[in-house]
Amino acid sequence: EAGVTQFPSHSVIEKGQTVTLRCDPISGHDNLYWYRRVMGKEIKFLLHFVKESKQDESGMPNNRFLAERTGGTYSTLKVQPAELEDSGVYFCASSQWDRGETQYFGPGTRLLVL
Amino acid sequence: AQTVTQSQPEMSVQEAETVTLSCTYDTSESDYYLFWYKQPPSRQMILVIRQEAYKQQNATENRFSVNFQKAAKSFSLKISDSQLGDAAMYFCAYRSVPGTYKYIFGTGTRLKVLA
Repeated sequence: EAGVTQFPSHSVIEKGQTVTLRCDPISGHDNLYWYRRVMGKEIKFLLHFVKESKQDESGMPNNRFLAERTGGTYSTLKVQPAELEDSGVYFCASSQWDRGETQYFGPGTRLLVL
Repeated sequence: AQTVTQSQPEMSVQEAETVTLSCTYDTSESDYYLFWYKQPPSRQMILVIRQEAYKQQNATENRFSVNFQKAAKSFSLKISDSQLGDAAMYFCAYRSVPGTYKYIFGTGTRLKVLA
């Protein structure tokens, strides 16, 4: 069974540019999460999809971030325009729908905004 | 709001020895889950161990065990017979049972295993 995959693994962009991160969850997992870790700090929750619906987007920093999950499969996270403080590692995770769920994480996308 | 604190940014252990990583959390909830995740260098995070708050028995997974002290809000991870492959960042995480499924993470502890 394939794990959670993320693309790209690394991205270096200039301030003001747009970047789109992609996450493919484990097949059959209805729940998909985005998290971000800024250098040296804790991993912070961004948002949670259940199938194609946004269940919780309380962690989204501002309206420069747009997440979508078309058809309830893969998800994209777009940052437009990118700012220096958006640099960090963006993790995606997925889980099945049950009470004791464990989230399975992807390898992350390392974003550097110059 | 819930918080998770890992007070040890870095730890070292000799191969075959035992090491304990600390994690404390703050919550007013009575039912929740606690997790330890491991992230080896340049690899993805994987679950090490999970504890359900309503279970008094400490979880164990082979060489990994936890010391869960609910009243003290403490959730430490003990690694016995440390191996070189245990070298990684270890993250402690909290998840409420009702409501949101999001994890709240600590800042992580980098574990070095010395040969």
